Amino acid sequence: GAVVSQHPSRVICKSGTSVKIECRSLDFQATTMFWYRQFPKQSLMLMATSNEGSKATYEQGVEKDKFLINHASLTLSTLTVTSAHPEDSSFYICSASRHSSGFYNEQFFGPGTRLTVL
Amino acid sequence: AQKVTQAQTEISVVEKEDVTLDCVYETRDTTYYLFWYKQPPSGELVFLIRRNSFDEQNEISGRYSWNFQKSTSSFNFTITASQVVDSAVYFCALSDSGSGNTGKLIFGQGTTLQVKP
Repeated sequence: GAVVSQHPSRVICKSGTSVKIECRSLDFQATTMFWYRQFPKQSLMLMATSNEGSKATYEQGVEKDKFLINHASLTLSTLTVTSAHPEDSSFYICSASRHSSGFYNEQFFGPGTRLTVL
Repeated sequence: AQKVTQAQTEISVVEKEDVTLDCVYETRDTTYYLFWYKQPPSGELVFLIRRNSFDEQNEISGRYSWNFQKSTSSFNFTITASQVVDSAVYFCALSDSGSGNTGKLIFGQGTTLQVKP
């Protein structure tokens, strides 16, 4: 199967620090990677779409200077939450997609990273 | 515009009851994909099903079944003889060509299912 990992699974940091979250596709090369944020009892909200070697495409309302995305290779994307504040505390989920059939790109989700900013 | 609506925020049933989770979607495309995911308390999304817009056949997988009706833009999910382990948040999602062929998913708000023993 297609496995996507995230590291760390849980992080607690002080306000003002930066936190990096890694997303790796372990057994396939991902054409695209996505980053989602999920607040408690809410749905997944897409933050950005990233392709290897190019700038990420951010969804409306997501600050690109706040949430830095680097897609270094076809198997690794990183999300850095810069100068984190308590309101950034959330569950961050990444996914990686690969081409399946027709126009469809199958998407595989990582286990998520729970960020708590004190 | 793409939109997925799960009108039921929370559902509570007693074990062995059948339960249906509703999903209504909006898209202008004729080619699209619909999904259901389960999110247990651990947080990891579990893929349940993918259905393309050209296949309206209902699907059954064990205690799970799905009813896709293009005429009403609905893709409902039924759990038969529910069990406590079915307790989770369930998300319906849509992917269409508006995603630029990236597979971008639009999620519904989610339905929290609680199955009591």
